Amino acid sequence: QKEVEQDPGPLSVPEGAIVSLNCTYSNSAFQYFMWYRQYSRKGPELLMYTYSSGNKEDGRFTAQVDKSSKYISLFIRDSQPSDSATYLCGTGTASKLTFGTGTRLQVTL
Amino acid sequence: SAVISQKPSRDICQRGTSLTIQCQVDSQVTMMFWYRQQPGQSLTLIATANQGSEATYESGFVIDKFPISRPNLTFSTLTVSNMSPEDSSIYLCSVNGLAGGGGDTQYFGPGTRLTVL
Repeated sequence: QKEVEQDPGPLSVPEGAIVSLNCTYSNSAFQYFMWYRQYSRKGPELLMYTYSSGNKEDGRFTAQVDKSSKYISLFIRDSQPSDSATYLCGTGTASKLTFGTGTRLQVTL
Repeated sequence: SAVISQKPSRDICQRGTSLTIQCQVDSQVTMMFWYRQQPGQSLTLIATANQGSEATYESGFVIDKFPISRPNLTFSTLTVSNMSPEDSSIYLCSVNGLAGGGGDTQYFGPGTRLTVL
């Protein structure tokens, strides 16, 4: 079993839709939870990070962590074509992050 | 956040040769990491580059194949030695522990796209 599981997609949604991206992890010692966005042929860009259970909101993005079920989510409201990218979840400790395979998102006009 | 640059951005190399990738950060950082990203796979940590001491390698990666240097708090190199086509991948540098703040959030460079023929 992988330490971090993420559906690779692709996920296709119409512009304006709410997008839900999810990961599960297996190690209860993981304390850091991050979401990255990666455009084609670019490095991963940090979108959101949190260290605790609950919700964290930043503009159209909300990161949600449920440590009891080891489940992390990223919600994107009012999705735009510019949101089309691969989204990677990362979780772990301060010295080491483990990443999911990434979910490829396509927002269509 | 930090500005992280990598050189080269891409390269095509012959089997059996070696390539050194450079990572430069615009501010001092505590930790620097090297990852590999193969198509359809997650980011895989190769090693943590330690300033002034030997790098810490993850299982499956060895110093002879991936020697790493970190001479100061803003610069590191990764060498891919005796390359084979299986080494074709994107290699990414990342950092955390920015001086003056940033905590434990990890930032990535733009990556080096390596193709081995």
